[in-house]
Amino acid sequence: GAVVSQHPSRVICKSGTSVKIECRSLDFQATTMFWYRQFPKKSLMLMATSNEGSKATYEQGVEKDKFLINHASLTLSTLTVTSAHPEDSSFYICSADTHGGGLAGGRPNEQFFGPGTRLTVL
Amino acid sequence: AQTVTQSQPEMSVQEAETVTLSCTYDTSESDYYLFWYKQPPSRQMILVIRQEAYKQQNATENRFSVNFQKAAKSFSLKISDSQLGDAAMYFCAYYAGANSKLTFGKGITLSVRP
Repeated sequence: GAVVSQHPSRVICKSGTSVKIECRSLDFQATTMFWYRQFPKKSLMLMATSNEGSKATYEQGVEKDKFLINHASLTLSTLTVTSAHPEDSSFYICSADTHGGGLAGGRPNEQFFGPGTRLTVL
Repeated sequence: AQTVTQSQPEMSVQEAETVTLSCTYDTSESDYYLFWYKQPPSRQMILVIRQEAYKQQNATENRFSVNFQKAAKSFSLKISDSQLGDAAMYFCAYYAGANSKLTFGKGITLSVRP
C-alpha cells in the first residue's frame, strides 16, 4: 500500500528557533498533501492543504507566516514552524492524497497518513 | 458546513465481546464518503473501513462493520470479537465535494478489558 513518511519523528527546540518537518510519499505521487495538528486526546485539526507547485491553502486562524508550507515536488511537502514558541508544541501529522482532489466518481481520493512528528518547544 | 459528531468520549468493552461506536453527521450533499479511522498509542492513523453514500449495503472488513443510516445521517462502527489490539482512539470522518478535505469527529477512546 501507499506509504507516507515524516521526518523527524520527534524534535525538541529552543524558543525562537525554526523547525522544518518533512512529509514524503514513498511509493506514489501526491499532488495534494495535508497538514494537521493534534493535541493529546483530541481530534486532528487541519492546518493547511498543500498543492504541488502552488501556494498552500491555510485554514482560518492558522498563521501562514508562522507555518510555512512548501510542496516543491510530487513526493515532498515541508512544514516549517518559524520562531517557535512553547504554545507551538504539539503533534503534527501529514497526509498525502493519491489523486488531485474531488470525488471524480467512483472511489474517492485516498489519503494516507504519515506517522506524525512530536514537536516540543522549550 | 459539514459536521461530524461523536458524542461518546470513552467506551470500554470486554475482550471477545462486541462494541458499537456511534457517529452522526450533517451535510446537504447527496454524494459523499464516510470513514472510520483508528489511532493506536503509536498515533499512526489507520483506515478501518469506508462507506460510499450511494451504496445501500453496509461495508464490512473482517471483524469491523458499519450501520449506515443515510436518512438519519448516522454511521456507527461495530467491532466484533474485540481484541486487546483494538484499544485505540477511533475517529469518524466525512469526505465530499471539491474541497477534498476530511472532516473528523472528536474521536472516542476505546479500551478493551482482558
